[in-house]
Amino acid sequence: AQSVTQPDIHITVSEGASLELRCNYSYGATPYLFWYVQSPGQGLQLLLKYFSGDTLVQGIKGFEAEFKRSQSSFNLRKPSVHWSDAAEYFCAVANTGTASKLTFGTGTRLQVTL
Amino acid sequence: DVKVTQSSRYLVKRTGEKVFLECVQDMDHENMFWYRQDPGLGLRLIYFSYDVKMKEKGDIPEGYSVSREKKERFSLILESASTNQTSMYLCASRWGVPGELFFGEGSRLTVL
Repeated sequence: AQSVTQPDIHITVSEGASLELRCNYSYGATPYLFWYVQSPGQGLQLLLKYFSGDTLVQGIKGFEAEFKRSQSSFNLRKPSVHWSDAAEYFCAVANTGTASKLTFGTGTRLQVTL
Repeated sequence: DVKVTQSSRYLVKRTGEKVFLECVQDMDHENMFWYRQDPGLGLRLIYFSYDVKMKEKGDIPEGYSVSREKKERFSLILESASTNQTSMYLCASRWGVPGELFFGEGSRLTVL
Protein backbone atom coordinates (compact mmCIF):
# COMPACT_ATOMS: atom_id res chain seq x y z
CA ALA A 1 0.00 0.00 0.00
CA GLN A 2 1.18 3.51 -0.73
CA SER A 3 1.83 6.08 1.96
CA VAL A 4 3.00 9.65 2.34
CA THR A 5 4.98 11.27 5.13
CA GLN A 6 5.13 14.98 5.74
CA PRO A 7 7.55 15.28 8.64
CA ASP A 8 6.89 18.93 9.43
CA ILE A 9 3.56 19.65 11.09
CA HIS A 10 4.06 23.39 11.31
CA ILE A 11 6.56 25.75 9.65
CA THR A 12 6.99 29.48 10.14
CA VAL A 13 8.87 31.63 7.63
CA SER A 14 9.29 35.34 7.13
CA GLU A 15 7.76 37.00 4.14
CA GLY A 16 10.31 37.08 1.34
CA ALA A 17 12.22 34.08 2.64
CA SER A 18 12.53 30.85 0.73
CA LEU A 19 10.43 27.82 1.55
CA GLU A 20 10.84 24.08 1.31
CA LEU A 21 8.17 21.64 2.46
CA ARG A 22 9.21 18.03 2.72
CA CYS A 23 7.35 15.03 1.40
CA ASN A 24 8.42 11.39 1.33
CA TYR A 25 6.36 8.65 -0.23
CA SER A 26 6.28 4.90 -0.24
CA TYR A 27 5.21 3.07 -3.38
CA GLY A 28 6.65 0.17 -5.31
CA ALA A 29 6.74 1.77 -8.74
CA THR A 30 6.88 5.30 -10.08
CA PRO A 31 3.89 7.00 -8.55
CA TYR A 32 1.80 9.97 -9.51
CA LEU A 33 2.60 12.79 -7.09
CA PHE A 34 0.67 15.92 -6.17
CA TRP A 35 0.79 18.95 -3.94
CA TYR A 36 -2.44 20.59 -2.82
CA VAL A 37 -3.02 23.74 -0.79
CA GLN A 38 -5.91 24.48 1.53
CA SER A 39 -6.51 28.03 2.70
CA PRO A 40 -8.57 28.52 5.87
CA GLY A 41 -12.22 27.70 5.26
CA GLN A 42 -11.54 26.75 1.66
CA GLY A 43 -11.40 23.56 -0.34
CA LEU A 44 -8.22 22.02 -1.67
CA GLN A 45 -6.55 23.44 -4.74
CA LEU A 46 -3.96 21.69 -6.87
CA LEU A 47 -0.56 23.39 -6.89
CA LEU A 48 1.31 20.98 -9.14
CA LYS A 49 1.63 17.35 -10.15
CA TYR A 50 4.20 14.89 -11.42
CA PHE A 51 3.36 11.98 -13.68
CA SER A 52 6.52 11.39 -15.71
CA GLY A 53 9.28 13.17 -17.58
CA ASP A 54 11.13 16.17 -16.23
CA THR A 55 11.61 15.67 -12.50
CA LEU A 56 11.36 19.40 -11.75
CA VAL A 57 7.77 20.53 -12.13
CA GLN A 58 6.39 24.02 -12.04
CA GLY A 59 3.06 24.86 -10.53
CA ILE A 60 0.81 27.78 -9.84
CA LYS A 61 1.61 30.71 -7.54
CA GLY A 62 5.37 30.37 -8.15
CA PHE A 63 5.72 26.92 -6.56
CA GLU A 64 7.88 24.12 -7.87
CA ALA A 65 8.65 20.58 -6.75
CA GLU A 66 11.36 18.08 -7.55
CA PHE A 67 10.85 14.34 -7.80
CA LYS A 68 13.84 12.41 -6.49
CA ARG A 69 13.39 8.71 -7.01
CA SER A 70 16.52 7.76 -5.05
CA GLN A 71 15.21 9.57 -1.98
CA SER A 72 11.51 8.80 -2.52
CA SER A 73 10.87 12.49 -2.11
CA PHE A 74 8.80 15.19 -3.74
CA ASN A 75 9.64 18.41 -1.88
CA LEU A 76 7.80 21.63 -2.56
CA ARG A 77 9.74 24.88 -2.90
CA LYS A 78 9.16 28.55 -3.39
CA PRO A 79 11.99 31.10 -3.64
CA SER A 80 10.16 33.99 -1.97
CA VAL A 81 7.11 33.49 0.23
CA HIS A 82 4.22 35.95 0.30
CA TRP A 83 1.91 36.48 3.28
CA SER A 84 -0.94 35.05 1.20
CA ASP A 85 0.86 31.69 1.05
CA ALA A 86 -0.11 31.00 4.66
CA ALA A 87 -2.19 27.83 4.42
CA GLU A 88 -2.03 24.09 4.90
CA TYR A 89 -0.15 22.09 2.31
CA PHE A 90 -0.79 18.45 1.49
CA CYS A 91 1.39 16.07 -0.46
CA ALA A 92 -0.36 13.12 -2.10
CA VAL A 93 0.58 9.95 -3.96
CA ALA A 94 -1.55 7.93 -6.36
CA ASN A 95 -0.97 4.40 -7.51
CA THR A 96 -1.07 3.60 -11.20
CA GLY A 97 -3.88 1.60 -12.75
CA THR A 98 -7.60 2.02 -13.35
CA ALA A 99 -8.63 2.03 -9.71
CA SER A 100 -6.09 4.63 -8.79
CA LYS A 101 -6.63 6.14 -5.37
CA LEU A 102 -5.00 9.24 -3.96
CA THR A 103 -3.40 8.98 -0.53
CA PHE A 104 -2.63 12.19 1.33
CA GLY A 105 -0.07 13.09 3.92
CA THR A 106 -1.03 14.65 7.23
CA GLY A 107 -0.26 18.14 6.00
CA THR A 108 2.11 20.99 6.87
CA ARG A 109 0.70 24.23 8.17
CA LEU A 110 2.64 27.25 6.92
CA GLN A 111 2.66 30.46 8.89
CA VAL A 112 4.16 33.60 7.31
CA THR A 113 5.41 36.41 9.49
CA LEU A 114 5.62 39.96 8.19
CA ASP B 1 -14.79 25.41 -14.41
CA VAL B 2 -15.34 22.11 -12.70
CA LYS B 3 -17.85 22.35 -9.92
CA VAL B 4 -18.20 19.79 -7.16
CA THR B 5 -21.15 20.58 -4.95
CA GLN B 6 -21.76 19.12 -1.53
CA SER B 7 -25.38 19.58 -0.54
CA SER B 8 -24.82 20.48 3.12
CA ARG B 9 -22.03 22.62 4.52
CA TYR B 10 -22.97 22.02 8.15
CA LEU B 11 -24.97 19.22 9.73
CA VAL B 12 -25.75 18.32 13.32
CA LYS B 13 -27.09 14.82 13.94
CA ARG B 14 -27.73 12.60 16.93
CA THR B 15 -26.06 9.31 17.69
CA GLY B 16 -27.77 6.46 15.88
CA GLU B 17 -29.29 8.59 13.15
CA LYS B 18 -28.85 7.67 9.49
CA VAL B 19 -26.97 10.39 7.67
CA PHE B 20 -26.73 11.06 3.94
CA LEU B 21 -24.05 13.29 2.48
CA GLU B 22 -24.61 14.14 -1.15
CA CYS B 23 -22.08 15.17 -3.75
CA VAL B 24 -22.71 16.23 -7.34
CA GLN B 25 -20.18 17.07 -10.04
CA ASP B 26 -20.97 18.76 -13.31
CA MET B 27 -18.06 17.73 -15.53
CA ASP B 28 -18.89 14.14 -16.50
CA HIS B 29 -16.03 12.83 -14.38
CA GLU B 30 -15.56 9.08 -14.17
CA ASN B 31 -14.10 8.91 -10.69
CA MET B 32 -15.46 10.21 -7.41
CA PHE B 33 -14.10 10.08 -3.89
CA TRP B 34 -15.10 10.62 -0.27
CA TYR B 35 -12.48 11.69 2.27
CA ARG B 36 -12.71 12.74 5.87
CA GLN B 37 -10.38 15.40 7.22
CA ASP B 38 -9.35 15.56 10.86
CA PRO B 39 -6.72 17.77 12.49
CA GLY B 40 -3.33 16.09 12.53
CA LEU B 41 -4.55 13.20 10.41
CA GLY B 42 -4.83 14.86 7.02
CA LEU B 43 -7.29 13.47 4.52
CA ARG B 44 -8.21 9.82 4.79
CA LEU B 45 -9.99 8.01 1.98
CA ILE B 46 -13.30 6.42 2.92
CA TYR B 47 -14.58 5.12 -0.43
CA PHE B 48 -14.11 5.86 -4.08
CA SER B 49 -15.91 5.01 -7.28
CA TYR B 50 -14.27 4.74 -10.67
CA ASP B 51 -17.51 4.17 -12.58
CA VAL B 52 -21.25 4.20 -12.09
CA LYS B 53 -22.36 1.49 -9.66
CA MET B 54 -18.71 0.62 -8.97
CA LYS B 55 -17.15 1.28 -5.60
CA GLU B 56 -13.94 0.50 -3.84
CA LYS B 57 -13.11 0.68 -0.15
CA GLY B 58 -10.57 3.22 0.87
CA ASP B 59 -8.48 3.22 4.01
CA ILE B 60 -11.25 3.77 6.57
CA PRO B 61 -14.54 2.36 5.24
CA GLU B 62 -15.87 1.02 8.53
CA GLY B 63 -19.17 2.60 9.51
CA TYR B 64 -19.76 4.04 6.05
CA SER B 65 -21.35 2.99 2.79
CA VAL B 66 -21.71 4.72 -0.56
CA SER B 67 -24.04 4.83 -3.51
CA ARG B 68 -23.41 5.86 -7.10
CA GLU B 69 -26.49 5.30 -9.22
CA LYS B 70 -25.75 8.14 -11.62
CA LYS B 71 -22.43 9.33 -12.93
CA GLU B 72 -22.69 12.81 -11.49
CA ARG B 73 -23.77 11.87 -7.98
CA PHE B 74 -21.90 10.08 -5.21
CA SER B 75 -23.52 9.69 -1.82
CA LEU B 76 -21.90 8.84 1.49
CA ILE B 77 -24.11 7.10 4.02
CA LEU B 78 -23.61 6.74 7.73
CA GLU B 79 -26.02 3.96 8.67
CA SER B 80 -25.89 4.73 12.38
CA ALA B 81 -23.94 7.85 13.19
CA SER B 82 -21.55 7.81 16.10
CA THR B 83 -19.69 10.62 17.86
CA ASN B 84 -16.36 9.48 16.41
CA GLN B 85 -17.72 10.27 12.97
CA THR B 86 -17.78 13.97 13.81
CA SER B 87 -15.52 15.37 11.11
CA MET B 88 -15.16 17.37 7.91
CA TYR B 89 -16.15 15.30 4.88
CA LEU B 90 -14.73 16.17 1.48
CA CYS B 91 -15.99 14.94 -1.85
CA ALA B 92 -13.81 15.01 -4.95
CA SER B 93 -14.05 14.01 -8.59
CA ARG B 94 -11.61 13.25 -11.35
CA TRP B 95 -11.97 12.67 -15.08
CA GLY B 96 -9.68 9.65 -15.01
CA VAL B 97 -6.22 8.40 -14.18
CA PRO B 98 -3.91 10.20 -13.64
CA GLY B 99 -5.88 13.41 -13.50
CA GLU B 100 -6.12 15.84 -10.66
CA LEU B 101 -8.88 15.72 -8.07
CA PHE B 102 -11.36 18.58 -7.85
CA PHE B 103 -12.77 19.07 -4.38
CA GLY B 104 -16.02 20.34 -2.99
CA GLU B 105 -16.05 22.81 -0.13
CA GLY B 106 -16.73 20.14 2.46
CA SER B 107 -19.51 19.11 4.82
CA ARG B 108 -18.85 19.57 8.50
CA LEU B 109 -20.76 16.92 10.43
CA THR B 110 -21.25 17.02 14.17
CA VAL B 111 -22.72 13.95 15.86
CA LEU B 112 -24.05 14.56 19.36
